[in-house]
Amino acid sequence: QKEVEQDPGPLSVPEGAIVSLNCTYSNSAFQYFMWYRQYSRKGPELLMYTYSSGNKEDGRFTAQVDKSSKYISLFIRDSQPSDSATYLCAFFSGGSYIPTFGRGTSLIVHP
Amino acid sequence: GAVVSQHPSWVICKSGTSVKIECRSLDFQATTMFWYRQFPKQSLMLMATSNEGSKATYEQGVEKDKFLINHASLTLSTLTVTSAHPEDSSFYICSASLISGDKNIQYFGAGTRLSVL
Repeated sequence: QKEVEQDPGPLSVPEGAIVSLNCTYSNSAFQYFMWYRQYSRKGPELLMYTYSSGNKEDGRFTAQVDKSSKYISLFIRDSQPSDSATYLCAFFSGGSYIPTFGRGTSLIVHP
Repeated sequence: GAVVSQHPSWVICKSGTSVKIECRSLDFQATTMFWYRQFPKQSLMLMATSNEGSKATYEQGVEKDKFLINHASLTLSTLTVTSAHPEDSSFYICSASLISGDKNIQYFGAGTRLSVL
């Protein structure tokens, strides 16, 4: 079993839709959870950072963590064509400084 | 927000030459930086962890003599691809760790596209 599972997509949605991106993980030691957005041929950009179960909201983005199910999600409301990118989940365990990344989900928002 | 600058953004070189890529943390000090390689439509592949003032730690399968890493200061790490060959053509990305309390956040550079002819 891989440490992190993330569907590569592509996920294609119409503009204005609510997008749900997900990752599952198997390492119980993961304590810190992040979502990055990566545009084509650019470095990843940090979107959300959380370390507890529950929801964290930032504008149109909501990160959700369920530690009991080892499942994290990123929701994007009112999606825009400019949201078209690859979204990577990332994890840290306490005491480690090396992140574990998912393979990324390609999102396409069409007008 | 924290900014990591990576230079150059794109480099084309002849086979057999060496290429240096710089990664700088502009507004914070980073004792640890990371170098990744990314193939089209693939995830990030960690190549090595760069620690200021000490030798880099390379991941299994990464040739340390081919990919030379130097982390000479708290704000600068360099990756030199020595005797580059076409199979080294790829997208290379650096990141720097910003540590605050128990938070450890990775900030990435914009990446360097290497094309070896």
